[in-house]
Amino acid sequence: AQSVTQLDSHVSVSEGTPVLLRCNYSSSYSPSLFWYVQHPNKGLQLLLKYTSAATLVKGINGFEAEFKKSETSFHLTKPSAHMSDAAEYFCVVSDLSNSGYALNFGKGTSLLVTP
Amino acid sequence: DAGVTQSPTHLIKTRGQHVTLRCSPISGHKSVSWYQQVLGQGPQFIFQYYEKEERGRGNFPDRFSARQFPNYSSELNVNALLLGDSALYLCASSFIYRPNYGYTFGSGTRLTVV
Repeated sequence: AQSVTQLDSHVSVSEGTPVLLRCNYSSSYSPSLFWYVQHPNKGLQLLLKYTSAATLVKGINGFEAEFKKSETSFHLTKPSAHMSDAAEYFCVVSDLSNSGYALNFGKGTSLLVTP
Repeated sequence: DAGVTQSPTHLIKTRGQHVTLRCSPISGHKSVSWYQQVLGQGPQFIFQYYEKEERGRGNFPDRFSARQFPNYSSELNVNALLLGDSALYLCASSFIYRPNYGYTFGSGTRLTVV
C-alpha cells in the first residue's frame, strides 16, 4: 500500500515569512499526490495535486509543491504566510488496490501563523 | 451550486445503538466515498461507491456498511456503536471514482458515542 509521512506535526511561522511543510511518500509506482487543508470545523479543501505531469505544481492561495522522485518527497511551500493560512494540512497519496481508489492521508501538520 | 451536503451535522448516540449518516453529492457527481477522522488524526478510508456499486472498502469491521441510491446520494450505517466510533465522518464526491479528477469533501458529521 502507498503511504505518506508528514515530518512535522506542528509548524509555527511569522506572518510574511515562508512556509515549508514536509512530506515523504512511499510508493511502488508513480503516485498521485495531493495536499488538502482543513480549517477548524470545516471540511477538507484541495490545495493542489500531482498526477505525473509537471513536477512543480501550483495550487490555490499561493501554495505550490514540488515532486522529487529521487528524494520521494512532495513538500508544500508558500513564499509569504498569511494569518488565514493557519490550519491543518494533510499530505495525501492515492492508492489503487483492492480498496479501490482510496486516499491515504498523513497524520497532518498544524500550521500556526503568528503576527 | 450546492456543495457536498452531509446530515446531520452533529449527533450523540449511546453505545450499542445504530446510526445512519447521509450524504448528497454535488450535482452530476456519480461517486461517493466515506472517511472517518478521529480527533488529531488524518481521515481514514471506509467505503467508495460509483454508480451504486461498491468500488472499494477500507479496513473497517462489518459493523460499518453503506449504500448508494439511484440519485447518487449515499448512506453510511454503523451498528453496535462503540466509544471508539466517535469521530468526524466525511463524505467526498467526485464525477468518477478516480481521485485525479478531484474529490470534494463535505463538512462532515460529528458523531459522539457515550
